[in-house]
Amino acid sequence: DAMVIQNPRYQVTQFGKPVTLSCSQTLNHNVMYWYQQKSSQAPKLLFHYYDKDFNNEADTPDNFQSRRPNTSFCFLDIRSPGLGDAAMYLCATSRDPVQGALRGAYNEQFFGPGTRLTVL
Amino acid sequence: ELKVEQNPLFLSMQEGKNYTIYCNYSTTSDRLYWYRQDPGKSLESLFVLLSNGAVKQEGRLMASLDTKARLSTLHITAAVHDLSATYFCAVDENFGNEKLTFGTGTRLTIIP
Repeated sequence: DAMVIQNPRYQVTQFGKPVTLSCSQTLNHNVMYWYQQKSSQAPKLLFHYYDKDFNNEADTPDNFQSRRPNTSFCFLDIRSPGLGDAAMYLCATSRDPVQGALRGAYNEQFFGPGTRLTVL
Repeated sequence: ELKVEQNPLFLSMQEGKNYTIYCNYSTTSDRLYWYRQDPGKSLESLFVLLSNGAVKQEGRLMASLDTKARLSTLHITAAVHDLSATYFCAVDENFGNEKLTFGTGTRLTIIP
């Protein structure tokens, strides 16, 4: 089945110790997103890739970086995790929403299972 | 800036009852999405609404979209415990924009 996969599902790191979360997709979608979700809040978009074009949200801290080496994989790097970075990190994908919109399609996003990050 | 508001934020209802969750948004859009999230889990797509007057139904859930009123509703019929979850609506801000703006979420608890 086509899907969005995130690894690891649970990650524990120490304060200030770099961590990398990974996301892969078999949907062959153009766009990949990283969201941060804290308890009882809506997902907050950190950044997204439209193909190789990186789009950073204005309020995403510099501590968060991302890489997309190919269509299938995307990584979230947290350079120096703080206690406030403990959260669920969600990866999502969507088909080509711009070209798709021109053909009357839409921007449904498909989410991976998430990585729960704990910072000690 | 697009704002998406849901109400209520919390909803506790008895099994067998009907209720409606509302999603209001602040800008012109004709594409709205509903997602479900179980505790500790990811988001699951429920409905995609793509035009004014669109109505979609799946089991005990029915979603509708009124683009003139900038309002979507998620109606729950004869609630059962399995529907307990948090429900988010999300809106496409601009035509062809690849970003979604999520609502605040409604935490629904069904009491036996």
